[in-house]
Amino acid sequence: GQQVMQIPQYQHVQEGEDFTTYCNSSTTLSNIQWYKQRPGGHPVFLIQLVKSGEVKKQKRLTFQFGEAKKNSSLHITATQTTDVGTYFCAAELNSGNTPLVFGKGTRLSVIA
Amino acid sequence: GAVVSQHPSRVICKSGTSVKIECRSLDFQATTMFWYRQFPKQSLMLMATSNEGSKATYEQGVEKDKFLINHASLTLSTLTVTSAHPEDSSFYICSAREVVGNTEAFFGQGTRLTVV
Repeated sequence: GQQVMQIPQYQHVQEGEDFTTYCNSSTTLSNIQWYKQRPGGHPVFLIQLVKSGEVKKQKRLTFQFGEAKKNSSLHITATQTTDVGTYFCAAELNSGNTPLVFGKGTRLSVIA
Repeated sequence: GAVVSQHPSRVICKSGTSVKIECRSLDFQATTMFWYRQFPKQSLMLMATSNEGSKATYEQGVEKDKFLINHASLTLSTLTVTSAHPEDSSFYICSAREVVGNTEAFFGQGTRLTVV
């Protein structure tokens, strides 16, 4: 089945450092979404990217969708301890009520 | 935003017994819901797609007779783990989307199942 590769698996940063996680697909995607899961919690929606080359920002978070709609990234500037959690990308191949395919996630630890 | 409620949040059961997990969309109708399983420190693995009024679609490797899914109404889907064994211990999460097309998924709070 369709797979979404996400790297890195883990990232430990000092508070104030930047952080980036990447997702790649071998096939063109309809859209890609990003979720954050805090320890012990459930995934919470962050953003959805639909257009080729799209860039969206949410405060210190920057999301990008590649021109070929096969890759995406999430960048956090000047991390804070509240950023701790696992960040998942979730891809949709076709536009429709189809299940999302999740990447393996990147677990972010922030050291104060 | 839309809310998906999942119950129970935690359950401990004995080996051989069955456990039912409910997933409700509180303020929207969901013709389709999705059930995921998540092992510790791992990603969400899709188990099945629950379709209102019809049979669920199971992913490869998921036993349909062990993980019974019923989607009797537009707001409720249930997952029953039958004859549970310790290896079924996991975090089970349901998800639903409001409309067809490019929309976000809303997740239930998840159910931590421990089989002893």
